[in-house]
Amino acid sequence: EAQVTQNPRYLITVTGKKLTVTCSQNMNHEYMSWYRQDPGLGLRQIYYSMNVEVTDKGDVPEGYKVSRKEKRNFPLILESPSPNQTSLYFCASTTDFSGANVLTFGAGSRLTVL
Amino acid sequence: KNEVEQSPQNLTAQEGEFITINCSYSVGISALHWLQQHPGGGIVSLFMLSSGKKKHGRLIATINIQEKHSSLHITASHPRDSAVYICAVPYYGGSQGNLIFGKGTKLSVKP
Repeated sequence: EAQVTQNPRYLITVTGKKLTVTCSQNMNHEYMSWYRQDPGLGLRQIYYSMNVEVTDKGDVPEGYKVSRKEKRNFPLILESPSPNQTSLYFCASTTDFSGANVLTFGAGSRLTVL
Repeated sequence: KNEVEQSPQNLTAQEGEFITINCSYSVGISALHWLQQHPGGGIVSLFMLSSGKKKHGRLIATINIQEKHSSLHITASHPRDSAVYICAVPYYGGSQGNLIFGKGTKLSVKP
């Protein structure tokens, strides 16, 4: 089944404890992206990757890192999480970013930073 | 920063009603996405539009590139249509690959 898989789905952690949210897709998509969703603010883009080894900042990259060493994986790294990073996170992928292809989203990862 | 505006923010309808959700944007674009998010959080892509109209079951999406406006229509609405509907546009004005989202329209369909 074609899908985007995120892990973990739920995580409660403490300030400063490094964590990684994994994202993997099995559709050979070139474009992958991370978003966070917060009440009243909607979805906002954190980082995206147009292809392997190519990443760029979205609207809210502060406090996050990403890497794209393989086409299928695009992990989101929080080096020193803070409470303002408590949010619902989504990974998504698509064939390419021509704007002509639908996005496939992961199921979401709910992160709480205490 | 260019924005995507959706209206209405909240919408309550009776089962069977025809529903329209609007999306306006401030820059020229090549395509627009409509997304659906059910309570519980998962996001599903409904349509990707670059011109004209698309139909999938009871859902119809239209776009007018010149007027920078898109609409999502739901015919014969049903309680299972209750969800948040989000439009999104690729933004090429700054970083290529940037996607900008509207804040969503929360639809509640009562039986």
